[in-house]
Amino acid sequence: EAEVAQSPRYKITEKSQAVAFWCDPISGHATLYWYRQILGQGPELLVQFQDESVVDDSQLPKDRFSAERLKGVDSTLKIQPAELGDSAMYLCASSLVASGDEQYFGPGTRLTVT
Amino acid sequence: AQKITQTQPGMFVQEKEAVTLDCTYDTSDPSYGLFWYKQPSSGEMIFLIYQGSYDQQNATEGRYSLNFQKARKSANLVISASQLGDSAMYFCAMSLAAGGTSYGKLTFGQGTILTVHP
Repeated sequence: EAEVAQSPRYKITEKSQAVAFWCDPISGHATLYWYRQILGQGPELLVQFQDESVVDDSQLPKDRFSAERLKGVDSTLKIQPAELGDSAMYLCASSLVASGDEQYFGPGTRLTVT
Repeated sequence: AQKITQTQPGMFVQEKEAVTLDCTYDTSDPSYGLFWYKQPSSGEMIFLIYQGSYDQQNATEGRYSLNFQKARKSANLVISASQLGDSAMYFCAMSLAAGGTSYGKLTFGQGTILTVHP
């Protein structure tokens, strides 16, 4: 069964360092989402891609966060510099189209900033 | 903007009993989808069930059913015959269907922690 891949699964970094997360969606899925989930809360969208184009990045802190999906397949989310408040689970999801269809989630990357 | 409200921070149920997890939503868009996801302690979001806003019948998937009351804007999840493995965090979520102003992305509630007792 096809799955969304994410790496690393866990990351510990010091404040002010750079960190990057990788996501490989299910083959053929045009829409890719990055969500951030703070402990005890529901996930919140950071950025949404349709193929290689950004559809929604209104909640992405653009002074320190960047995201790209250069060839419309896999994607990288970067934080530079990391802050203590960035400690969270970062979830990647993909869907065939951007509609009310089901999104398939990866295992997530749990980030701890010390 | 759409909003999802889950008012039960935690729920307890005896194994083999049924349990209802509450979810209310708010949107002015007529075309939307409602989802329930399960998140075990490992962190992965597992899709459980989907209900479209124009669906006439309540969705069912095995032991999961969605009690959709459109006029009340509620989409409660019913788990029948609870199992120990059902212990997890459960999230209700909504997305606007194609054509909406912000279609695709999921808006999640705060979640409900379900604990199943033997």
